Amino acid sequence: AQSVTQLDSQVPVFEEAPVELRCNYSSSVSVYLFWYVQYPNQGLQLLLKYLSGSTLVKGINGFEAEFNKSQTSFHLRKPSVHISDTAEYFCAVKRAAGNKLTFGGGTRVLVKP
Amino acid sequence: GAVVSQHPSRVICKSGTSVKIECRSLDFQATTMFWYRQFPKQSLMLMATSNEGSKATYEQGVEKDKFLINHASLTLSTLTVTSAHPEDSSFYICSARPGLGETQYFGPGTRLLVL
Repeated sequence: AQSVTQLDSQVPVFEEAPVELRCNYSSSVSVYLFWYVQYPNQGLQLLLKYLSGSTLVKGINGFEAEFNKSQTSFHLRKPSVHISDTAEYFCAVKRAAGNKLTFGGGTRVLVKP
Repeated sequence: GAVVSQHPSRVICKSGTSVKIECRSLDFQATTMFWYRQFPKQSLMLMATSNEGSKATYEQGVEKDKFLINHASLTLSTLTVTSAHPEDSSFYICSARPGLGETQYFGPGTRLLVL
């Protein structure tokens, strides 16, 4: 079975500063990787995904992530955050041949003015 | 594109009653839909996977007779919480996956409060 670890439960960051959210996974088979964002009292919105190809993936709202197979990581980055980026961010993994999406524990990003 | 809706957005009910939550894919056909439960400040836990026209597959520890799932069409799945109790209070989120796609698209969630 696959698992996902988000190393930081909370990340405070100042507006216009860069942010990196760490995600590590474990799986014995090929996986697809996803980052979702959840604003308060809302569902999840897909930020970006890695299925194959280039290991640097660009998503919406200026976010990008890099798939590193040797380190089994898929860290999310944004070079300059806005107040509106305050939200919960979830990393998720799915076996390439499976149905189930496994989520990490989430990282709460608080952008301060 | 890829919009998923849920209805209702929030519901308050008395203990012992049943509550039905609808999940619809608005602009695509979803052969597979998923139901998740999320407790405050926690991650999403998959409850069950439903495929159109067949019985849902429940995760370990989820009572199939308590959480009835119906996926009667390619755009609609329903979750019925039967004989709801206060411990069933939670945020329920559905997702839908297009036929040949790998990505799940999530609904806005339904907050259930059982008194």
